[in-house]
Amino acid sequence: DVVMTQSPLSLPVTLGQPASISCRSSQILVFSDGNTYVNWYQQRPGQSPRRLIYGVSKRDSGVPDRFSGSGSGPDFTLKISRVEAEDVGVFYCMQGTHWPWTFGQGTRVEIK
Amino acid sequence: EVQLVESGGGLVQPGGSLRLSCAAYGFPLSNFPMHWVRQVPGKGLESVSAISENGYNTYYANSVRGRFIISRDNSRNTLYLQMGGLSAEDMAVYYCVREWPPGSNDYWGQGTLVTVSS
Repeated sequence: DVVMTQSPLSLPVTLGQPASISCRSSQILVFSDGNTYVNWYQQRPGQSPRRLIYGVSKRDSGVPDRFSGSGSGPDFTLKISRVEAEDVGVFYCMQGTHWPWTFGQGTRVEIK
Repeated sequence: EVQLVESGGGLVQPGGSLRLSCAAYGFPLSNFPMHWVRQVPGKGLESVSAISENGYNTYYANSVRGRFIISRDNSRNTLYLQMGGLSAEDMAVYYCVREWPPGSNDYWGQGTLVTVSS
């Protein structure tokens, strides 16, 4: 199975400051159609995961533009330009190229 | 509005069986591949199983292959997961999840908790 390794696992941030989460895959994530299926999810306490980013960098409708995704090869990144209080939670990267689809361990974002 | 509503979770003895259901609202289930993803409370996410739009193709994680069966009834807009040979390692919240676009899960249900204990 593809291993998705996230770092850091815990991220204390100051309100209004930027934050960045990295995700490294153990295999190439380019599908036979040429697309790279990397996604990012946020899970707030007590809630189901919510997708933020799909296809490496496409932002979901309703997701604030302070969230952005990037990357290629084995390394992918989720950036928050200015952290707000509602961003608290656990963020997961996920690959949808190889079955079984696999998730990173999760990065817990908390406010300092 | 798209909604996925899981049911069927509960307490089951080791070695027992359980069938989860997921009712889909606000969209035609027949147009989308569907997945089950589970999460041990306080832990990470694990893809369990997936099924193509017409149900002809099914996929399983190694940890459940041979014990779980995914199916769907598009006429009832409902997804199922038949689980057998349950053990403590299967205790988790099970989420019903829609796949769209390919390679990604967009909508998630609220989850249903499966507890395995004697």
